[in-house]
Amino acid sequence: DTGVSQDPRHKITKRGQNVTFRCDPISEHNRLYWYRQTLGQGPEFLTYFQNEAQLEKSRLLSDRFSAERPKGSFSTLEIQRTEQGDSAMYLCASSSPISSYEQYFGPGTRLTVT
Amino acid sequence: AQSVTQLGSHVSVSEGALVLLRCNYSSSVPPYLFWYVQYPNQGLQLLLKYTSAATLVKGINGFEAEFKKSETSFHLTKPSAHMSDAAEYFCAGGSNYKLTFGKGTLLTVNP
Repeated sequence: DTGVSQDPRHKITKRGQNVTFRCDPISEHNRLYWYRQTLGQGPEFLTYFQNEAQLEKSRLLSDRFSAERPKGSFSTLEIQRTEQGDSAMYLCASSSPISSYEQYFGPGTRLTVT
Repeated sequence: AQSVTQLGSHVSVSEGALVLLRCNYSSSVPPYLFWYVQYPNQGLQLLLKYTSAATLVKGINGFEAEFKKSETSFHLTKPSAHMSDAAEYFCAGGSNYKLTFGKGTLLTVNP
C-alpha cells in the first residue's frame, strides 16, 4: 500500500535557515494539500494544488513560504528565513478526482526551529 | 465560514465504557463532515465521513457518528472503549477542497 509519504519526518534547523519538505501523494490523486499543526491545535489549511496548479493559499502562508508541485506529482514546501514560530508539524494530504473531499494524510514533517 | 467546535479537550473513560466525543459545526450549507484519529507523532487517519447520505455513519474500529442537522452536531461514539483507542480525535468540516478542523479531543482509556 503506497500511502502519502513525507520526507524528512523530523527537521531541526537554526533560525534564519531555509528548509524544504517533500510530499509524495497517493498515485493517481490529483489534489494535494498542505496543512500546519501546532501543539494542542488541529491542522490548519495552508494551500492546495489540483494537478500542478496552486489554486488557493491561506493567509497563514506568508511570503517566506512557497509551495510547488511540478508535473502534478510530488510537492515541495519551502520555508525561507525560518523563525521560531514556524516550529510545527507540517502535514500533507491528497485526494482523488472521484472523492475530492476525502483527504488522506501523510505522517507529517515535524519542524523545530532553534 | 465553516467552523468546527469540539467540546472537551480531554475525555477519560474506563476500558469497556462508552466513548462519546462531541463535535458541533456551523455552516450555511450542508457540509461534509469527518472524524480523524491521530496517534502520537503520526499523521491523521480517517475514521469515518458524512457526505449527505445516511445520517448514521459507521467507521473503522467500531466507531460511528450521527449527523443531526437540527443540533448541528456530529458526535462520535463507540459502545466499548479499548486501550488501543487512546489517541487524539479531530472533527473536521469541509468544502470541496479545504478541511476546517476542531482543536481535537484527547481520549485516554483507563484499565
